[in-house]
Order: sequence, then structure tokens, then C-alpha cells
Amino acid sequence: EDQVTQSPEALRLQEGESSSLNCSYTVSGLRGLFWYRQDPGKGPEFLFTLYSAGEEKEKERLKATLTKKESFLHITAPKPEDSATYLCAVQASAGTYKYIFGTGTRLKVLA
Amino acid sequence: DGGITQSPKYLFRKEGQNVTLSCEQNLNHDAMYWYRQDPGQGLRLIYYSQIVNDFQKGDIAEGYSVSREKKESFPLTVTSAQKNPTAFYLCASSIDPGTSGDTQYFGPGTRLTVL
Repeated sequence: EDQVTQSPEALRLQEGESSSLNCSYTVSGLRGLFWYRQDPGKGPEFLFTLYSAGEEKEKERLKATLTKKESFLHITAPKPEDSATYLCAVQASAGTYKYIFGTGTRLKVLA
Repeated sequence: DGGITQSPKYLFRKEGQNVTLSCEQNLNHDAMYWYRQDPGQGLRLIYYSQIVNDFQKGDIAEGYSVSREKKESFPLTVTSAQKNPTAFYLCASSIDPGTSGDTQYFGPGTRLTVL
């Protein structure tokens, strides 16, 4: 069964304390992996698309990496404004329109 | 600015009432989607549409209906047959889901509450 699991469910960091969020996936053929940021009461905001193992993408304090079984979202020297829920999704090859979402990691960065 | 708009932001429904959620996009995307988000669960697909006048059921279509008469618009009706409609509803669009790495972009969401 296709599945996406994100860990941890919640994470509290001090400002400047770097860490990583994990997204493990089991899908029948990965066509793309996506990271989104979601603030409370708002729609997800697109961050990154990764296509193949070994790929990395960066944006400000965020860096996303991809292996054959998981993806990491590294947050370097986070600030309080990075507090949000981070969602991971995969596009599977079994079914053109099949996107599977994880339940997210709630990040809280303390000043 | 290109983007996706959803209205209303908040919606209240009485028992036995049908309500319609609006979704409009000016990104010129072919595909549009409706998701439901509940606490502690991943986004679940309700319906999707690849082209005008065509749409397909997702994983939780029961109690919902959609139409796609225009490329820009994909309204969702929550019918009285949906027994637990209280949730956050998200509309998304993408260029071509047949393409690997086709990114979905989301609207701001509508929170529906049953009174």
C-alpha cells in the first residue's frame, strides 16, 4: 500500500537550533516528492519539488534532500517565523492523479 | 497576480442543507482538485478534474458533487448526504498531472462548520 509517514509529529526548537524533518515513503514508483508549508487556517504554500534520489534544493534557511526511501527538510538556524506545519506529499506512478500526503510536522521555533 | 481563490473563508451549514464552495484559478492550469483536511489526518482527495466537463471521484467522494463548466472554476457542493462535513476544504490546481513532478498549488481554504 502506498504510504507517506512524517516524523516527528511535533518539534520545538530554540531560535538558531538547526534540525531536520523526515518524510518516509512507500509508493509504487515515485514521480515526484513535494514539500509544503502550512500556517494555521491557511492553505499549503509550495516549497520544493524533488524528482530523483540524490537531488537537493534550497530556499533561504530550508534545504530538501531525497533518497530512494525518504526525504529530509533541513532547517538551518531557524527563526520564529519558520513556525508552521510542514507537509510532505508524493506523486505515485500507480494512477496519474494519485498524490499521497503525510500528516505533517508541526514546528514551533521559540525566540 | 496569478493564484487560486476560494470563497467563502468560513461557511456554516444547517442539518439537511446543501452548500457550495467556490474555487477559481487564473493560473491557466488544466487540472483542479478538491481536498478535505481533518486534524491529525493527511489531505484526502474528494474530486479532481483534468479538463473542462470532465471530473473523477477521489477517495472520499460520497456526499459531494462537483462541476467543471469553465477551465477557471471548480465548485464543490457538500450535500446533505455527507454525514460529517465539518472540516477544512482546500482547492488546488496543477498544470498536467500526467507529467512527473507536476506541482499542485493550493487556495486559502474554506472552513465548513455544521450547526
